[in-house]
Amino acid sequence: DAGVIQSPRHEVTEMGQEVTLRCKPISGHDYLFWYRQTMMRGLELLIYFNNNVPIDDSGMPEDRFSAKMPNASFSTLKIQPSEPRDSAVYFCASSLGSTQPQHFGDGTRLSIL
Amino acid sequence: AQSVTQLGSHVSVSEGALVLLRCNYSSSVPPYLFWYVQYPNQGLQLLLKYTSAATLVKGINGFEAEFKKSETSFHLTKPSAHMSDAAEYFCAVSERSGGSNYKLTFGKGTLLTVNP
Repeated sequence: DAGVIQSPRHEVTEMGQEVTLRCKPISGHDYLFWYRQTMMRGLELLIYFNNNVPIDDSGMPEDRFSAKMPNASFSTLKIQPSEPRDSAVYFCASSLGSTQPQHFGDGTRLSIL
Repeated sequence: AQSVTQLGSHVSVSEGALVLLRCNYSSSVPPYLFWYVQYPNQGLQLLLKYTSAATLVKGINGFEAEFKKSETSFHLTKPSAHMSDAAEYFCAVSERSGGSNYKLTFGKGTLLTVNP
């Protein structure tokens, strides 16, 4: 069975550019989570969706970050404009119910120069 | 809000030795507790989950964890370490997040190295 699929796996771009990260959750899962992982702050929840509707975006660092889930099989996390401090590994995870284990993608390693 | 403390950012053991990774959560009893493992350049994978059905939870790859309410702990153990256990381990607790939804709060992780 296909797991959570994230693209791209690596992204290197210059400061000020728009960055779009993509996620395809496991088919049938009704929750989708976006996380950011850094050495300093560990794994932080940015936002999560239930049935394509954003439920909690309290972890989104600032207005430069936005996330959408236009349908059950696709979500994007966008950073515009990007800054060097946004450099991190971004993970997407999905689950069937919010109390069930989350299944993680392999992440997108983002470097902002 | 829930908080999770993993004591020891780095634990080193010899192959065949006992593995003990510590996790303490904040005082309010969370409904669910998890341990995840992360191998280099990969996402997190579930090791085990506590759901209050039993205080001792068995997971994959020979790992188990014991929930101790009096100590607010959920430590992860494995009797005999294998080289393939080298990875980073994360403890996570769930907390209610609006209505009937729950979200996870993760500890900072413990890097386990296994020496031959």
